[in-house]
Amino acid sequence: QKEVEQDPGPLSVPEGAIVSLNCTYSNSAFQYFMWYRQYSRKGPELLMYTYSSGNKEDGRFTAQVDKSSKYISLFIRDSQPSDSATYLCAMSGRRGSYIPTFGRGTSLIVHP
Amino acid sequence: DGGITQSPKYLFRKEGQNVTLSCEQNLNHDAMYWYRQDPGQGLRLIYYSQIVNDFQKGDIAEGYSVSREKKESFPLTVTSAQKNPTAFYLCASTPGTGISGYTFGSGTRLTVV
Repeated sequence: QKEVEQDPGPLSVPEGAIVSLNCTYSNSAFQYFMWYRQYSRKGPELLMYTYSSGNKEDGRFTAQVDKSSKYISLFIRDSQPSDSATYLCAMSGRRGSYIPTFGRGTSLIVHP
Repeated sequence: DGGITQSPKYLFRKEGQNVTLSCEQNLNHDAMYWYRQDPGQGLRLIYYSQIVNDFQKGDIAEGYSVSREKKESFPLTVTSAQKNPTAFYLCASTPGTGISGYTFGSGTRLTVV
C-alpha cells in the first residue's frame, strides 16, 4: 500500500460544478498538507497549504484535512475550464522531515 | 522576476551517454531538490541539497549525480547507469525546511533515443 493514495482520474465535470478532489494516507505522523496544480508540461504550483486538521479557504478553493480519517480534500467552487489540470496532494512531517510525499495526481477536465 | 529556470525544456540522449540538466534559481533559497515524474507515478525524489557543498540521496538516486557548488545552481547528471531515464524532471527550491511548500521550475523532458 502506498503511503499516499490519490485516484488518477480523469475527472470530467461541466463548467460551474463543484469539484471534490481527495487523498488518503496511511501514516498518522503527517502534519503538513499541500495541494499543487500542474498544467500540462509545466511544473506544479502550490495552491493550498494547511497544518493539522481543519479547513482553509482561498477564493474558490477550500482545503480540508481530517486527520482522524487520514483523508484530505480540495474543493473547487464554480469550476472553470482554466481549472483543467492535474492536482497533486502532498504531505510531510513524518520522522521530523519536511520533505513531502506526493500523491499520483488527479487529472481534472472542466468542459464548457 | 524571481524563479527557477530549468534548461533545456526538451532533451534527447542516445543510450550510453551522460547528460546534465540545468537548474538555476534567483530566489535566494537555501534548499534545492530534483524530482522525477513518470505518468501515473507522481513525483519521486532523486536528490536534495539543503546547503552549498552538501547533498543527500532521495528515494531513487541510483544512476544520477548532482553537485551544489553555488547556492543558485543545482545541476543533475543522468548517467548511463540509469536504466530507464526517459521522464519529466523537475527542480524545486525552498527558503528553508520547505515546510510551507516548494517552488518548482518548468521541467525538462528527457527522452532516450
